[in-house]
Amino acid sequence: EAGVTQSPTHLIKTRGQQATLRCSPISGHTSVYWYQQALGLGLQFLLWYDEGEERNRGNFPPRFSGRQFPNYSSELNVNALELEDSALYLCASSNPAGPFYGYTFGSGTRLTVV
Amino acid sequence: AQSVTQLDSHVSVSEGTPVLLRCNYSSSYSPSLFWYVQHPNKGLQLLLKYTSAATLVKGINGFEAEFKKSETSFHLTKPSAHMSDAAEYFCVVSGYTGFQKLVFGTGTRLLVSP
Repeated sequence: EAGVTQSPTHLIKTRGQQATLRCSPISGHTSVYWYQQALGLGLQFLLWYDEGEERNRGNFPPRFSGRQFPNYSSELNVNALELEDSALYLCASSNPAGPFYGYTFGSGTRLTVV
Repeated sequence: AQSVTQLDSHVSVSEGTPVLLRCNYSSSYSPSLFWYVQHPNKGLQLLLKYTSAATLVKGINGFEAEFKKSETSFHLTKPSAHMSDAAEYFCVVSGYTGFQKLVFGTGTRLLVSP
């Protein structure tokens, strides 16, 4: 069984640009979660998608957005990049039973804003 | 609301000695609890999970954790540390409030010396 795959593994952008990160969940998983892991700030919940809908978002500005496609893959977009957006962005998926049984994480996309 | 507190930011052990990583949780109802491990520049891997079955949970790589409701604790242990155990460990709580997400602790960095 393929795990959660994220692309690209590394991304370097200039301040003010837009970044697009992609995530493919495990087959059969309908929920996708995005987390930001910035240095010194731990893991912060960004967004939760389920069945194509945004179900909840964390305390992040609107320039962080995303979507989930009919095949349950997901995209995270970060507009007007700021230096402090530099972080490891982790995607996770869970089956329809929800997080009671844990998430499966991808290896992440390391975004560097210069 | 749920929360977790990891009592140690760093734990240092010698190879072959026991490991204890401490975690206390807060939840207004019966939680699901997890331990995840993150090796440098990698995503998160699920070590073990408690979902209201047996209170002593065995995970991968010889780790186990015991759910103690009276102490609101879910400490992670391993009888004998291996060099490859050096990583960041996250205690995580989940619960259904109509909104599914995991709440992460701040992490404990385990250092293993020869």
